[in-house]
Amino acid sequence: QKEVEQNSGPLSVPEGAIASLNCTYSDRVSQSFFWYRQYSGKSPELIMSIYSNGDKEDGRFTAQLNKASQYVSLLIRDSQPSDSATYLCADQKGGAGSYQLTFGKGTKLSVIP
Amino acid sequence: EAGVTQFPSHSVIEKGQTVTLRCDPISGHDNLYWYRRVMGKEIKFLLHFVKESKQDESGMPNNRFLAERTGGTYSTLKVQPAELEDSGVYFCASSQASGYSPLHFGNGTRLTVT
Repeated sequence: QKEVEQNSGPLSVPEGAIASLNCTYSDRVSQSFFWYRQYSGKSPELIMSIYSNGDKEDGRFTAQLNKASQYVSLLIRDSQPSDSATYLCADQKGGAGSYQLTFGKGTKLSVIP
Repeated sequence: EAGVTQFPSHSVIEKGQTVTLRCDPISGHDNLYWYRRVMGKEIKFLLHFVKESKQDESGMPNNRFLAERTGGTYSTLKVQPAELEDSGVYFCASSQASGYSPLHFGNGTRLTVT
């Protein structure tokens, strides 16, 4: 069973701090990686995608990918209370024309004012 | 641009009954996916449509689940007869491009089977 693993948390950080979320995946054929944010009762919302090794920055968010270590992370700088949510890591594999996502269970982040 | 829309938002049915969930993808998105999250577990893939064709239905749990996408627009997912273990949140997602591209999710339908 190919899996995506995340620490379920909760992860608590003070407002203004850096939140660091981590994810590992087991399937070496995975090509694309995504971070989704999900507020309670709402849809998963895409916040970052990353396809190649290294860092990708978008505003306060930085995604990091290390394919050799099969490791993906998300850094949130200057954390705000509105960032409090569950963060889902997912990888994407292709095969026979299907590109399904495999999700981790999610990490619950709480930003304390 | 309207997002992915799902109906109903909640459904409570008794074991043995039938329920039909509906998903309207983002206009122009040929790729439509169904996912499910049961209590305490991760979101899991059910199936993938490209237009009206089933591209991958490897995640469908059993033959009590039937998905359709007539005309390649909206999709329905029918559960008949429902069992207790079918309870969970059913998400629909769509994407414009085939291949490695992000999916856009709806708010989900919370199904409770009693």
